Order: sequence, then C-alpha cells, then structure tokens
Amino acid sequence: GAGVSQSPSNKVTEKGKDVELRCDPISGHTALYWYRQSLGQGLEFLIYFQGNSAPDKSGLPSDRFSAERTGGSVSTLTIQRTQQEDSAVYLCASSSRTGDRSRDSGANVLTFGAGSRLTVL
Amino acid sequence: QKEVEQNSGPLSVPEGAIASLNCTYSDRGSQSFFWYRQYSGKSPELIMFIYSNGDKEDGRFTAQLNKASQYVSLLIRDSQPSDSATYLCAVKRYNTDKLIFGTGTRLQVFP
Repeated sequence: GAGVSQSPSNKVTEKGKDVELRCDPISGHTALYWYRQSLGQGLEFLIYFQGNSAPDKSGLPSDRFSAERTGGSVSTLTIQRTQQEDSAVYLCASSSRTGDRSRDSGANVLTFGAGSRLTVL
Repeated sequence: QKEVEQNSGPLSVPEGAIASLNCTYSDRGSQSFFWYRQYSGKSPELIMFIYSNGDKEDGRFTAQLNKASQYVSLLIRDSQPSDSATYLCAVKRYNTDKLIFGTGTRLQVFP
C-alpha cells in the first residue's frame, strides 16, 4: 500500500477483555515496529520484526502483550486481559532495510501509521 | 538515567527566530540519530537523520551531532507558526535496528 495502515483507528473496551490491533506495512518494507504512546508522553518501544529473524520483544511490558507477523507482512498486536493502564495510542511503523549496518543509508527511516487509540474503561 | 533525554518544554520562540532543540543519549554505541516532528493528534514524521559528527543541513533544518559529548541537536531557522509541534529525538545503536525515542520537546512559534 501507499502508507502504513492500522486498524481499528479507535477501540474502546472493558477492563479484562482482549483486543487485537492490526498493522499493514508499506509494501516491500521488511522491518515492522510497534510503539505505544500514552497521553503527553514519548514513544515507548514494544516489539520489532525484521524479515524472518526472531522478533525483538524486549519492550513488551508484560506477558499479556504479544505480537505476530504473518507472511512477513501484516502484523497483529494482541493485548490480553486489558487494564486501564493499557490505554494509549499504539503506533505501527515500517522501514526498508539494507543488509549493511556499517553505514546508515537511511534504511532505518520509519514511516508511521495513523495509530490505534485504545481506551480501556 | 533515560537512554534518550529531551527537555519537554514548551520552547517558545517568535516567528523568524532560530529554534534550538537538544537531545542527549546515554549509550556510546549509538550509531544513527533521527529527528521526528509530531503535530498534535498526528503520527510522527521524519525531518532528518544524521550519523556523522558535525552538521547536516536540509532547508531550514540543521542537525548537529557531537558523539564525544553524546548530544544531538536540531536547529530550525526562520521559525514559522506551522513549525509548532513536538519534536522527537530517536537513537539507533550499532548492530540493532531498534529506535529508542525521547519524550519530545514541544515547540511553540508565536507570530
């Protein structure tokens, strides 16, 4: 697609329910990131996928959070047993990536989606 | 100590002035540095990135990197009210593609 697409744009749920947030990255982008942004705060890294490599899950705040990426494209972020502190905007980003880490050609430039705003009542 | 630190602001400058935004980082293994702009209610968008010490200019924007002092700055010349936004600094370490963001500096440019 032309940009990073996220759905739903808004989700209101009750505490304890599970939610799924979807991200469709830019076609051809091999890297996909999930971040969380609470009101008035910066971006908190959650998880990162790169091609067929094992994802970097170091930012997931608890085992209630999980994410998968199917076929190297679409990703789903799942939050189980939601809590009020999970309320935030969840941002997905994708980037192209070359194999050369010795020089940064801008391959790590992230393009963000519009985000999914999650409200847990 | 946070990995990437920014003054939350707001930084208020008059139209036409130079706005100077600063960011410090803790990991000396950091390799690449990015500035993103985020308008209220919108997603971040890239302004520019830098990976070599010194200055990099792009239009009204100049990024400055000093790895010895572990800081990166963004200068906005001839500031416009449309530049009013939150500016996010992001850092990538060597040998990883994870970007760590600061909390952002809110810039207000008044007419």
